[in-house]
Amino acid sequence: DAGVIQSPRHEVTEMGQEVTLRCKPISGHNSLFWYRQTMMRGLELLIYFNNNVPIDDSGMPEDRFSAKMPNASFSTLKIQPSEPRDSAVYFCASSRYDGYAGELFFGEGSRLTVL
Amino acid sequence: GESVGLHLPTLSVQEGDNSIINCAYSNSASDYFIWYKQESGKGPQFIIDIRSNMDKRQGQRVTVLLNKTVKHLSLQIAATQPGDSAVYFCAENIRSSYKLIFGSGTRLLVRP
Repeated sequence: DAGVIQSPRHEVTEMGQEVTLRCKPISGHNSLFWYRQTMMRGLELLIYFNNNVPIDDSGMPEDRFSAKMPNASFSTLKIQPSEPRDSAVYFCASSRYDGYAGELFFGEGSRLTVL
Repeated sequence: GESVGLHLPTLSVQEGDNSIINCAYSNSASDYFIWYKQESGKGPQFIIDIRSNMDKRQGQRVTVLLNKTVKHLSLQIAATQPGDSAVYFCAENIRSSYKLIFGSGTRLLVRP
């Protein structure tokens, strides 16, 4: 099994630019999570999808952030416009469980730097 | 808000010694606890979990202890190896929901 695949691994962009992060969950996993990790705030849940439907987006910082899951094998997290405070590592994780975190399988993350 | 509390220490141990990483949690409604390991440049990796109806659970070289009376969780690693060097996070799950609340992490350094 290839695990959760994220791209890009590193992204450096200028303030105001659009950033799109991509995730391919493990096949057969029904739940997908986007987390953000910073030194100051640790790991924060941004949004949770179950069976491709957004269930909880209360962790999305503001309207500049949006996430989609058009099918079971693909999700995107978009930031538009990006700001320096968005600099962080963004993780996608998937789980075989419905409505229950259980064991999460994390991707290797996308490190975003906004200048 | 309620959170899993974990000071951010760095634990340095000699290779071959046992390691103990501690975690305090504050939500008495939490019924499921998990330890994750995060190596540099990688995502967190599940190590072991325990339900609130258990006090102890053992895996391969790892043991998790849960003390609900004082809301304390620990991860014990036997015969610590260089490959165990990483940041370790505890996380709590409330009422079998989708939300995991992560602690701030402890860095484990293994001296050769």
